[in-house]
Amino acid sequence: AQSVTQLDSQVPVFEEAPVELRCNYSSSVSVYLFWYVQYPNQGLQLLLKYLSGSTLVKGINGFEAEFNKSQTSFHLRKPSVHISDTAEYFCAVSRAGQGNLIFGKGTKLSVKP
Amino acid sequence: NAGVTQTPKFRVLKTGQSMTLLCAQDMNHEYMYWYRQDPGMGLRLIHYSVGEGTTAKGEVPDGYNVSRLKKQNFLLGLESAAPSQTSVYFCASREQGGAGELFFGEGSRLTVL
Repeated sequence: AQSVTQLDSQVPVFEEAPVELRCNYSSSVSVYLFWYVQYPNQGLQLLLKYLSGSTLVKGINGFEAEFNKSQTSFHLRKPSVHISDTAEYFCAVSRAGQGNLIFGKGTKLSVKP
Repeated sequence: NAGVTQTPKFRVLKTGQSMTLLCAQDMNHEYMYWYRQDPGMGLRLIHYSVGEGTTAKGEVPDGYNVSRLKKQNFLLGLESAAPSQTSVYFCASREQGGAGELFFGEGSRLTVL
């Protein structure tokens, strides 16, 4: 079975600073990895996903993530955050080619002016 | 561009009452899901369906029932509501296969007194 751990429940950061949201997964088989974002009082929307190929994945709103198989990690990064990036971010994993998404518990990113 | 629509968006129930949440998607997706979101717990899968007429249990199915009589609709029922079912419920859908993006509704906030 797959599982995912988001290492930080809350990350406060100042506007224009870089940010990294950490995600580790466990699986004995190949996986697909996803990052979703949830703005207040909304549903989740896809930021980016890793299926195969290049380990550096670029998503919407300037976010990117790097798949590291040896460390079983899929950390999300942005070089310069904006106030509008304040949201909750969810890492998710599924078995490659099939299976349901398993979500982490989320990281609340708070961007302060 | 409706996407995934959930009704109702808010509901207050008394313990023991029953209700049904409706999810409708207009993207012709095969797969549909019901999740619940609780603070600090992330999203947990309640039930899912891989096609019209099929349903399956997820991680936390107890106290809920579902039906998928039409491809575009996925109903979540609570036969006898309990305070532990106070939560925000999200419906999602995606195409067949493991790589597809999950499209989420805006959520239904249920309070059980």
